[in-house]
Amino acid sequence: DGGITQSPKYLFRKEGQNVTLSCEQNLNHDAMYWYRQDPGQGLRLIYYSQIVNDFQKGDIAEGYSVSREKKESFPLTVTSAQKNPTAFYLCASISGLAGGPGTQYFGPGTRLTVL
Amino acid sequence: AQKVTQAQTEISVVEKEDVTLDCVYETRDTTYYLFWYKQPPSGELVFLIRRNSFDEQNEISGRYSWNFQKSTSSFNFTITASQVVDSAVYFCALSGPVTGANNLFFGTGTRLTVIP
Repeated sequence: DGGITQSPKYLFRKEGQNVTLSCEQNLNHDAMYWYRQDPGQGLRLIYYSQIVNDFQKGDIAEGYSVSREKKESFPLTVTSAQKNPTAFYLCASISGLAGGPGTQYFGPGTRLTVL
Repeated sequence: AQKVTQAQTEISVVEKEDVTLDCVYETRDTTYYLFWYKQPPSGELVFLIRRNSFDEQNEISGRYSWNFQKSTSSFNFTITASQVVDSAVYFCALSGPVTGANNLFFGTGTRLTVIP
């Protein structure tokens, strides 16, 4: 089945550690996105990538890093520089941009808790 | 600047009642796209609808309907004869034109609880 997978579903991290969240899609989508969701708030954009080997900062990129070495994969690293990393992280992808933005499809999310 | 406002933080209705979720947006783009997503307790966002700024026709899909009014910058969502399975957080979102990053600007969501 086509879709977006994120792993792990739950992740616990000690303060000062870097952690990497996985996002994989087999939809052959060009663009991929990472959002952060805090309780009672909407989603906020962390990073996005429209093509392989290229990515752009979103609204809240500080303390995060990404890579896009393959079309299918867009991992997010939460570094120790992120002051408040406990949140729900959602990955999304979208089909080609020609003709207007298509629909963003979302993965199931990773809930990160810093202990 | 782009902004989406969902003034209703939480709504509770009794099963079979109709309910309308409000969404007001701000944008300077002449071409833009509006979306509604449903987030059940599992957390995954489920796409419901996408409308572009040139299409103001209302849309109905089963028990769901959407009312898009550019004059008031609103894109409201109505669930008819609500069911317990409709309980979720609903997000309205806005995206810019093709040349932009196409990322979504989300409202803060409306938590709908349908009481059996």
